[in-house]
Amino acid sequence: DAGITQSPRYKITETGRQVTLMCHQTWSHSYMFWYRQDLGHGLRLIYYSAAADITDKGEVSDGYVVSRSKTENFPLTLESATRSQTSVYFCASSLYLTGGGDGYTFGSGTRLTVV
Amino acid sequence: KQEVTQIPAALSVPEGENLVLNCSFTDSAIYNLQWFRQDPGKGLTSLLLIQSSQREQTSGRLNASLDKSSGRSTLYIAASQPGDSATYLCAVRNQAGNMLTFGGGTRLMVKP
Repeated sequence: DAGITQSPRYKITETGRQVTLMCHQTWSHSYMFWYRQDLGHGLRLIYYSAAADITDKGEVSDGYVVSRSKTENFPLTLESATRSQTSVYFCASSLYLTGGGDGYTFGSGTRLTVV
Repeated sequence: KQEVTQIPAALSVPEGENLVLNCSFTDSAIYNLQWFRQDPGKGLTSLLLIQSSQREQTSGRLNASLDKSSGRSTLYIAASQPGDSATYLCAVRNQAGNMLTFGGGTRLMVKP
């Protein structure tokens, strides 16, 4: 099915463990993004990528690592999970960065709980 | 730093009413503004995208306007239905940094 898919949908992990959230899009969009959504903070940008092998930090990047070896995949890794990283994580993609096209398209999200 | 505010934070209306959701932003240097719908426990669904050069966009019962100079956008929902119940988010794409900044959302409940 075409679109943007995230996996897993739900994840429980322990403090200190490494965990990777996956994001895959089928449109060959150049730009991909990771956001987290928390009550009281709304949606905040973690990392974004303009193309394969080009990534940049967002507003709340500490404790996260990304890679983009292929255009269609943009995994997000929590190197050593902390309870403050309990959140809902959304991946998004966009054809254009500076407007035009269809804007942003979001995945269904991954609900991560760190215990 | 761009700040996006949505008023009201929550709204409850009877079915059939026309309603307006408001979004304001502090920095008018934007590329576009996008309205999203989010159902509980779900992802974001794009409703309307307005480029900075446009004044409004329409899709079915939804109409969004943009007044960039005053930093305001409104989402008008005509003849509301219970299925419209959701959280509505607006987001601006900033020229500085090329990032989306989101508002806090308006939680809408349409009662049958």
